[in-house]
Amino acid sequence: RKEVEQDPGPFNVPEGATVAFNCTYSNSASQSFFWYRQDCRKEPKLLMSVYSSGNEDGRFTAQLNRASQYISLLIRDSKLSDSATYLCVVSGAGGTSYGKLTFGQGTILTVHP
Amino acid sequence: NAGVTQTPKFRILKIGQSMTLQCTQDMNHNYMYWYRQDPGMGLKLIYYSVGAGITDKGEVPNGYNVSRSTTEDFPLRLELAAPSQTSVYFCASSYSKGGNQPQHFGDGTRLSIL
Repeated sequence: RKEVEQDPGPFNVPEGATVAFNCTYSNSASQSFFWYRQDCRKEPKLLMSVYSSGNEDGRFTAQLNRASQYISLLIRDSKLSDSATYLCVVSGAGGTSYGKLTFGQGTILTVHP
Repeated sequence: NAGVTQTPKFRILKIGQSMTLQCTQDMNHNYMYWYRQDPGMGLKLIYYSVGAGITDKGEVPNGYNVSRSTTEDFPLRLELAAPSQTSVYFCASSYSKGGNQPQHFGDGTRLSIL
């Protein structure tokens, strides 16, 4: 089983749509969770951290379910500029792996007019 | 505000050649990382460093070497280039352990081994 698994998509949605991405992780002792965004042929950039209580940043909502080892990202009112690959990222559980990030393969989103 | 700078941006190597991918950051970050990203795949950690003089292997270290003589620089060395090393390489840094702080990435180096 992969350490971090995402549905690779692609997701094709019209502008204004709501879209949700899911991610599961295998190590129950993982400490920190993030969503990164990667535009085509560009470097990954932090979109938002994911907190246990869930958190929102404008049109983006992230949720974490530690019991199910599941992370989600919800994008409301999609914009053309949201088209990108969304990477689910999990931080190491402890010891020498603490602080090291493990990346999912990414979910491709295309928002069309 | 340069952030993380990688050079070169593109390179084509012949099998068996060697080269060094340069990475420098001006944010005084202790933690630095090298990743590779193959098409349609997530990033895989090659090596990382928690400070000058300290390096450690990541998930896919074979065929690579690193050094960290200063806080700013973290070069990645390919000694005998192989086609399997064709990839996009990203260098990243963070203020503290990546679990609590976001990692800042360079623009990447696109490397082809022919």
